[in-house]
Amino acid sequence: SQQGEEDPQALSIQEGENATMNCSYKTSINNLQWYRQNSGRGLVHLILIRSNEREKHSGRLRVTLDTSKKSSSLLITASRAADTASYFCATDARYAGGTSYGKLTFGQGTILTVHP
Amino acid sequence: DTEVTQTPKHLVMGMTNKKSLKCEQHMGHRAMYWYKQKAKKPPELMFVYSYEKLSINESVPSRFSPECPNSSLLNLHLHALQPEDSALYLCASSQDSLAGDTEQFFGPGTRLTVL
Repeated sequence: SQQGEEDPQALSIQEGENATMNCSYKTSINNLQWYRQNSGRGLVHLILIRSNEREKHSGRLRVTLDTSKKSSSLLITASRAADTASYFCATDARYAGGTSYGKLTFGQGTILTVHP
Repeated sequence: DTEVTQTPKHLVMGMTNKKSLKCEQHMGHRAMYWYKQKAKKPPELMFVYSYEKLSINESVPSRFSPECPNSSLLNLHLHALQPEDSALYLCASSQDSLAGDTEQFFGPGTRLTVL
């Protein structure tokens, strides 16, 4: 079952504006990752944040993680038309002893549309 | 080479056909994955191979049969599929499924239609 829930389901903005997407999850995690998918094709990894990290930046991306609330947010600053895509959070669950099996569970996704 | 390739890009098959999906990576990754993605839904994990051995099977029906001939190749054999199996099948790889904190690299997918 998919444990990640994302909101909003769809987001429509103008070029230059910022876009914020939120993700919630239910279990203990080793890390949380964000991926982008264009037009139902392959996913592209954007950023990974470990469970002991609270914030991470990569170019125009900023990710926060609040493990007490089991939630994360992805901020895309100064958006471009090329950012139009579906964005998914994915959690890497932590098993007994802190083991990871690389078993990603994806959220429902946010469809971002950036208008030129 | 940081690419995961998948063939074919599109596949149409009948319910009595046998077909195979292929995935290849040359990044030296030791973990490979199969996902199924229905339209407007997130990818769902099907299988994980770690060091060429099946480590996770997410209760996938036996009409889907994975195979990992070597560390660079991953196949998904299809037999007696149902129309509801129509979906985008994504392959991914990562350095090591047990190491943790590793990103997965995805192929472009095979869009499967079962008639």
